[in-house]
Amino acid sequence: KAGVTQTPRYLIKTRGQQVTLSCSPISGHRSVSWYQQTPGQGLQFLFEYFSETQRNKGNFPGRFSGRQFSNSRSEMNVSTLELGDSALYLCASSLAQSRGRETQYFGPGTRLLVL
Amino acid sequence: QQQVKQSPQSLIVQKGGISIINCAYENTAFDYFPWYQQFPGKGPALLIAIRPDVSEKKEGRFTISFNKSAKQFSLHIMDSQPGDSATYFCAASRMDSSYKLIFGSGTRLLVRP
Repeated sequence: KAGVTQTPRYLIKTRGQQVTLSCSPISGHRSVSWYQQTPGQGLQFLFEYFSETQRNKGNFPGRFSGRQFSNSRSEMNVSTLELGDSALYLCASSLAQSRGRETQYFGPGTRLLVL
Repeated sequence: QQQVKQSPQSLIVQKGGISIINCAYENTAFDYFPWYQQFPGKGPALLIAIRPDVSEKKEGRFTISFNKSAKQFSLHIMDSQPGDSATYFCAASRMDSSYKLIFGSGTRLLVRP
């Protein structure tokens, strides 16, 4: 079974631009979560989607948004990029049959560099 | 406010030794405590997880010890191997918060041959 895939793997943008990252969950998984990983702040939860609805949101500004499609694939968007948005963005998927108690499987991440 | 505190930040162990990583949490509503292992260039992978109704869980060389009254839990890696060299993260979540994991700051483990 294929794992969580994320595209692109690497991205370079300039300040003020916007970016869209994509995540394809493991087949059959219905929950997709996004995390930001930086050396200074570590792993921080961005948001979680289930059945095309955002169920949970972390403490990030409104420039960070996401969505989930009917096939469970998810995208996250960051508008008006800032230097501090440089990070590894990780997507994780879960079956979502047992609320909150299942393994989250992480993808390899998209490394975003903002210049 | 950091809700899961992890220590040490880095750890060096000789092959065959025991690696111990500690975490403490503040929110008593947390009810699921996983440990993740991350290699460079990869996403975190679940190693082992525990719920607060048990005090210890063992899977192979990996053991989680859980102290509910002290709000602490730890990962023990027995017979540490060079292949265990990675960054380890503890995490916690609440069942009513779905899949929102709160991660510790990570421990970089180096196992010397």
